[in-house]
Amino acid sequence: SQQGEEDPQALSIQEGENATMNCSYKTSINNLQWYRQNSGRGLVHLILIRSNEREKHSGRLRVTLDTSKKSSSLLITASRAADTASYFCATDNWGRALTFGSGTRLQVQP
Amino acid sequence: ETGVTQSPTHLIKTRGQQVTLRCSSQSGHNTVSWYQQALGQGPQFIFQYYREEENGRGNFPPRFSGLQFPNYSSELNVNALELDDSALYLCASSLTDGLAGPYNEQFFGPGTRLTVL
Repeated sequence: SQQGEEDPQALSIQEGENATMNCSYKTSINNLQWYRQNSGRGLVHLILIRSNEREKHSGRLRVTLDTSKKSSSLLITASRAADTASYFCATDNWGRALTFGSGTRLQVQP
Repeated sequence: ETGVTQSPTHLIKTRGQQVTLRCSSQSGHNTVSWYQQALGQGPQFIFQYYREEENGRGNFPPRFSGLQFPNYSSELNVNALELDDSALYLCASSLTDGLAGPYNEQFFGPGTRLTVL
């Protein structure tokens, strides 16, 4: 079963705009991670935020975590055509596995 | 590039056959996890190997089995293939180390696309 669910399922924006994706999950977590996947290829690790952190930045990426609402958001600023991909959140609840949502498909129009 | 490699890239099998997929973990990592990703879905955890033993398993039947070797590389074996086994199979490597903390940051390979006809 999916632990995290991303919203929206699909997002289309123009180059230069910001893209925001949201993730909700059901159980308590150790950390939450965001991944990018291009065209059904391998997953690229973007950022990890720990359960005691509220916000984290990496380049053009900003991730927030609200454990009281069991939700996270990924903001990509000044998007580029190369950001076109599927984005997944994955939760780690101290187990062996990461539990993934079904992803947000982002299309950035040049 | 993560340094995690998988082979083969693509594979076509028929129902009932057996398949072996291979993964080499990133340098310095000692743990390998396998995931199945159906089209349009997120990856689903199959199992994890640490110190050559299965270290956790998802909701997959016993015909999905694996191995980890002393160099930390790993194999995923699937017997009696079914049409629903058609998917992208992803391998992820990580470091299990009490000193590093339980953050389970996993690095994925490019995947093997399996098609079952």
